[in-house]
Amino acid sequence: AQKITQTQPGMFVQEKEAVTLDCTYDTSDPSYGLFWYKQPSSGEMIFLIYQGSYDQQNATEGRYSLNFQKARKSANLVISASQLGDSAMYFCAMREPGNQFYFGTGTSLTVIP
Amino acid sequence: GAGVSQSPRYKVAKRGQDVALRCDPISGHVSLFWYQQALGQGPEFLTYFQNEAQLDKSGLPSDRFFAERPEGSVSTLKIQRTQQEDSAVYLCASSLGEGRAFFGQGTRLTVV
Repeated sequence: AQKITQTQPGMFVQEKEAVTLDCTYDTSDPSYGLFWYKQPSSGEMIFLIYQGSYDQQNATEGRYSLNFQKARKSANLVISASQLGDSAMYFCAMREPGNQFYFGTGTSLTVIP
Repeated sequence: GAGVSQSPRYKVAKRGQDVALRCDPISGHVSLFWYQQALGQGPEFLTYFQNEAQLDKSGLPSDRFFAERPEGSVSTLKIQRTQQEDSAVYLCASSLGEGRAFFGQGTRLTVV
């Protein structure tokens, strides 16, 4: 079974609007970390946000927030007030303790002016 | 340096040639990971080190791929007898404990 599933290959959003990128995960370990990375066309992997499995509150970092629904094993990324520079690939990832990072197949986000 | 450094940034190899890709992790980072990323795809796990110990090499696609981290810092990914299907970006990442992974800029390998 896939550890990380991203079902949206491509998404479009109007500039200044909010967008939600979906991510579901699969693990039986009670302790894990969830991560979102942005990869622009330049290829670098830019860390955006982290959520620990025991965190009670949804993580937020500036315009990024993570909608963490533990029972549904869902960790959606919400980008508010989209900017043209947000156009990129977005990857959801999970890590169980002492293990590798598992990545999804990514969502390509295009911000329309 | 402050970040993860990979070299070379670009490598063109003739089919059958051996290549070596280098990764300098962030100083003090215990964990080091190698990923392969094909165009338009997500990173695929290759191997994982904790200090000098290679804890997981289950993602290495064949015995032509070999990775080492002899002193627990710099790591080298070696690919022997390169094939066209080895063409990809090879990403190295390091982390401190169970925190986020810091990625290098990657090495783009093209096998011709």
